[in-house]
Amino acid sequence: LAKTTQPISMDSYEGQEVNITCSHNNIATNDYITWYQQFPSQGPRFIIQGYKTKVTNEVASLFIPADRKSSTLSLPRVSLSDTAVYYCLVSGAGSYQLTFGKGTKLSVIP
Amino acid sequence: SAVISQKPSRDICQRGTSLTIQCQVDSQVTMMFWYRQQPGQSLTLIATANQGSEATYESGFVIDKFPISRPNLTFSTLTVSNMSPEDSSIYLCRGRGRGGATNEKLFFGSGTQLSVL
Repeated sequence: LAKTTQPISMDSYEGQEVNITCSHNNIATNDYITWYQQFPSQGPRFIIQGYKTKVTNEVASLFIPADRKSSTLSLPRVSLSDTAVYYCLVSGAGSYQLTFGKGTKLSVIP
Repeated sequence: SAVISQKPSRDICQRGTSLTIQCQVDSQVTMMFWYRQQPGQSLTLIATANQGSEATYESGFVIDKFPISRPNLTFSTLTVSNMSPEDSSIYLCRGRGRGGATNEKLFFGSGTQLSVL
């Protein structure tokens, strides 16, 4: 299972764009990159998933460079309700067990 | 996408007692997993619940402490046995459907917040 490294915490003001970068140097060819959001006392919630280049949905964008050794989750114009822990995970068809790193605690400030 | 219903959402238990947590999925999943999240920590995989056979436990977790059942493809239970205050955590189930890695967006239960006095 590819190990991931993220910043422990980040602070941002409301309305700003937030970019959280995750390193996964030993990502395998078949691995996908998935980001989850978790609020206190709740289960993780899927945000976005990608394999390469750029993926965008109604919530966020995911940027993956050509070497796929890192990925960046971009949250546009964050609000106070985006305060949560964000987890980056790497997994493939043959590794069905998700291994969670420590995540990034995002605090949005008014 | 499928939905997992997990209950209870929270409980406060006495030392030495046991609590059984249930997860019901609204569609068949190939695999179900149980996680523990201790206060302020990330998620740790307890075991993989196998349908019709004994669960596969991760290092540090044993069947006597965390017996798991999975009688069919849509239901699983985790029991936390002979509880102590150190068992106070959030317990989460997760389902994985067919289709390989692109199904990792599926789906966690809402969690059970357990406090042991």
